[in-house]
Parts: sequence; C-alpha cells; structure tokens
Amino acid sequence: GAVVSQHPSRVICKSGTSVKIECRSLDFQATTMFWYRQFPKKSLMLMATSNEGSKATYEQGVEKDKFLINHASLTLSTLTVTSAHPEDSSFYICSARGSKNIQYFGAGTRLSVL
Amino acid sequence: AQSVSQHNHHVILSEAASLELGCNYSYGGTVNLFWYVQYPGQHLQLLLKYFSGDPLVKGIKGFEAEFIKSKFSFNLRKPSVQWSDTAEYFCAVINQAGTALIFGKGTTLSVSS
Repeated sequence: GAVVSQHPSRVICKSGTSVKIECRSLDFQATTMFWYRQFPKKSLMLMATSNEGSKATYEQGVEKDKFLINHASLTLSTLTVTSAHPEDSSFYICSARGSKNIQYFGAGTRLSVL
Repeated sequence: AQSVSQHNHHVILSEAASLELGCNYSYGGTVNLFWYVQYPGQHLQLLLKYFSGDPLVKGIKGFEAEFIKSKFSFNLRKPSVQWSDTAEYFCAVINQAGTALIFGKGTTLSVSS
C-alpha cells in the first residue's frame, strides 16, 4: 500500500526558533499533499493544501507567514513553523493524495515549544 | 459549510460485543465518505470508503458501513469487536470542491478483554 513518511516524529524547540517538518510519499507521486493540526480530543483541522510547483492554499485563520509550506517535488512537502511559540505546540499530521482521492497519512509530528 | 458529526465521543465495549459508531454529514449532493482508524501510537489508516454503488461497503478487519442518503448517515459497524480494535475512529467526507477531507471529531473505542 501507499506509504507516507513524516519526519521528525517529535521535536522540542525554544520559543522563537523555526522548525521544519518533512512529508514524503515513498512509493507514489503526490501532486497534492495536506497539512493538518490535531488538538487533544479534537479532530484533525486542515491547515493547508500543498500543490506541487505552486503556492499552498491556506484555510481561513491559518497564518501563511507563520506556517510556510513548500512542495518542491512530487514526493516531498515541507511545513516550516517560523518563530515558534508555546501556542504552536501541537500534533501536526501530513497526508498525500493518491488515486481515487484517497489520502494516506504520515505518522505525525509532536511539536513542543518551550 | 460542510460538516461531519460523530455522535459518540467515547465508546466502551467488552470483547465480542457488537459495534455501531454514528456519522452524519451535512452536504446533500454527491458525497465521497471515509472511515479512518488511528491505533495507539500509529498513523491514520483507511478502514473503508464509499464513492457510489452498493451502499453497504465492507472494509478491512471485518468492519462495514452503510450509506443512507435519506439520513445523511454513514455509520460504521462490526458484529464482534476484539481488544485490538481499541483505537480512535474518524469519519470523513470530501468537501464540495473535491479538494480536501473534512473530518468528524473522532470516537474513541475502548475494548476490554
């Protein structure tokens, strides 16, 4: 089956620093990838849709200058949390869209900002 | 705006009990519906999906779901749960633009042996 790798699985950083999270589709090409944020006991909140070779589409209320997305190839999308603050601490999950509109998910990244 | 509602926040069952998790969506047009499962410490995995055709769809691990258009529902069922079914279950629908998934808030299933 389709596999999506997300790295790192856990990161702890100081307030004010930037953190980059990678999402790779390992055995298929994905022109579209998605970035979600999952709060405790809450559903996945779509942050942005990442399209290969073009600018990402951000959901309402998501700061595009805060959460930089780059989808430079058909197998890699990156999310950079810039100048992270404690309120950015969360679980970030990526997915890649395969055939028949099915999304395949990464294992997630737990970000803790001190 | 489109939305997905999962009625049960936390379900606790004994092994061999039958399971039904409710899911309702708000959009009345053509829908693509999904159930995803997240086992403890693991990533989201697709359980089953409905695009068209037979409204009763069968997925992996003995799960099935029934699409009832008149009720805007896509409930997940399993006749006999196992301890290994303990997980978080998410219902999702493709948005009207066909570009993204909209998730329900999830249901935590705890199965005791």
